[in-house]
Amino acid sequence: DTAVSQTPKYLVTQMGNDKSIKCEQNLGHDTMYWYKQDSKKFLKIMFSYNNKELIINETVPNRFSPKSPDKAHLNLHINSLELGDSAVYFCASSQEGIKKPEKLFFGSGTQLSVL
Amino acid sequence: AQSVTQPDIHITVSEGASLELRCNYSYGATPYLFWYVQSPGQGLQLLLKYFSGDTLVQGIKGFEAEFKRSQSSFNLRKPSVHWSDAAEYFCAVGALRPGNTPLVFGKGTRLSVIA
Repeated sequence: DTAVSQTPKYLVTQMGNDKSIKCEQNLGHDTMYWYKQDSKKFLKIMFSYNNKELIINETVPNRFSPKSPDKAHLNLHINSLELGDSAVYFCASSQEGIKKPEKLFFGSGTQLSVL
Repeated sequence: AQSVTQPDIHITVSEGASLELRCNYSYGATPYLFWYVQSPGQGLQLLLKYFSGDTLVQGIKGFEAEFKRSQSSFNLRKPSVHWSDAAEYFCAVGALRPGNTPLVFGKGTRLSVIA
C-alpha cells in the first residue's frame, strides 16, 4: 500500500487553465505539506496543514489554493496556470505530535508542464 | 532561520569506490539534520537523521553521516558505492519549533556511478 499517494503523476495543460492535484496519506499523520521542486531540483515548501488547519503559507501566489477536507487529504488547486508553474509538486506528511522535526514521507510527485 | 548548503552539484564516482557528499548548515541552535535520496521519477526517501546523541549516525543502504558542530557539517558517506546508488541526494535541516516549521532542503547533489 502506498503511504502517500498523489494524482495525477503527469499533468500537461495550457496556460490560463485551472487544475488540481490530489494527495492522500494512509499513515494517520497529523501534518501534510506541499513542496515545489523546480527544474534545478530545488525543493521549496509551499504549504503546511496540521489537522486540516493551514499552518504555513510561504510566499506563494494566491492562484495556488490548498484544501484539506480531512487530515488524510491535502489537495492543491491552481488557477490561471502560468509557464513558471511548470515543476514537480510533491506532497508529504509527517507526525507532528512531538514538537521536533519528524521524518517526512513523500509522494512520488506530480510533474506539471504548462504549455 | 535555518539554511543548508550542498557545495557539490554533481559528483561522479566509480562503482566500489568510497563516497562523501558534503552538507553545511546554518542554524543558531541545535539542528535536526536529515539526508534524503531521490531516485529518478520518485519522491524523496529518508536515508538517516540526526537529532542528538552519537554524532555518527547509521542509515539505510549502508550510508552513514557524521555531525560536526564545529564545522557546521553533516556529510554523508558510504564506503563502497553501488550502481543503484545513482540518484539525487538532499540534505535538510529542521528546527525545534513551537509551531510547525518545515524542513529546509539543500539544492541537492546528483550522484552518478560509473563502471
